[in-house]
Amino acid sequence: AQSVTQPDIHITVSEGASLELRCNYSYGATPYLFWYVQSPGQGLQLLLKYFSGDTLVQGIKGFEAEFKRSQSSFNLRKPSVHWSDAAEYFCAVGALNSGYALNFGKGTSLLVTP
Amino acid sequence: EAGVVQSPRYKIIEKKQPVAFWCNPISGHNTLYWYRQNLGQGPELLIRYENEEAVDDSQLPKDRFSAERLKGVDSTLKIQPAELGDSAVYLCASSLASGQGSPLHFGNGTRLTVT
Repeated sequence: AQSVTQPDIHITVSEGASLELRCNYSYGATPYLFWYVQSPGQGLQLLLKYFSGDTLVQGIKGFEAEFKRSQSSFNLRKPSVHWSDAAEYFCAVGALNSGYALNFGKGTSLLVTP
Repeated sequence: EAGVVQSPRYKIIEKKQPVAFWCNPISGHNTLYWYRQNLGQGPELLIRYENEEAVDDSQLPKDRFSAERLKGVDSTLKIQPAELGDSAVYLCASSLASGQGSPLHFGNGTRLTVT
């Protein structure tokens, strides 16, 4: 069965510290991978996406993610977190055999402390 | 470009009442999605449209939910009658097409509370 797992429900980091949010997937077909961010009361905003090619992808707001096929992972990273990064982060996976409809993880809530 | 527009932003109704949500996608986007997001969860797909055709409605509870996308542009999602468990945020999204080069653009959602 297709699934997306975000193992960490909540993460707290200090402002200026580095960040890594984990995402693991289980898909039978070649997946297309996305990270979205959701601020309270808002819709989801695309941070970055991976389809093919270079496994390290750059996104907006200084985020990057690395696709590791051997580990079925697509972890999101940021070298230095800002207080405005506090939000809910969702990993999403699509595949040809699902018509590319995105399957979302349950999200990771990021808290940034001073 | 203007984003995906949804209305209303909030809706409070009593159980067994009907409710409808409206979505205006980004101009030129052929694919439209309705997702439901329960508290503390990720969005779950309800229905996907390619132009005016519903191509994936396998997760739509058809006994009480219905959707339409007339003329392949705006879309309406309806619940009749609503149940307590329908309380959630209903998100509309659109993309140029179903494909790897077409990320989803989301509206701000409609938060439904059923009392």
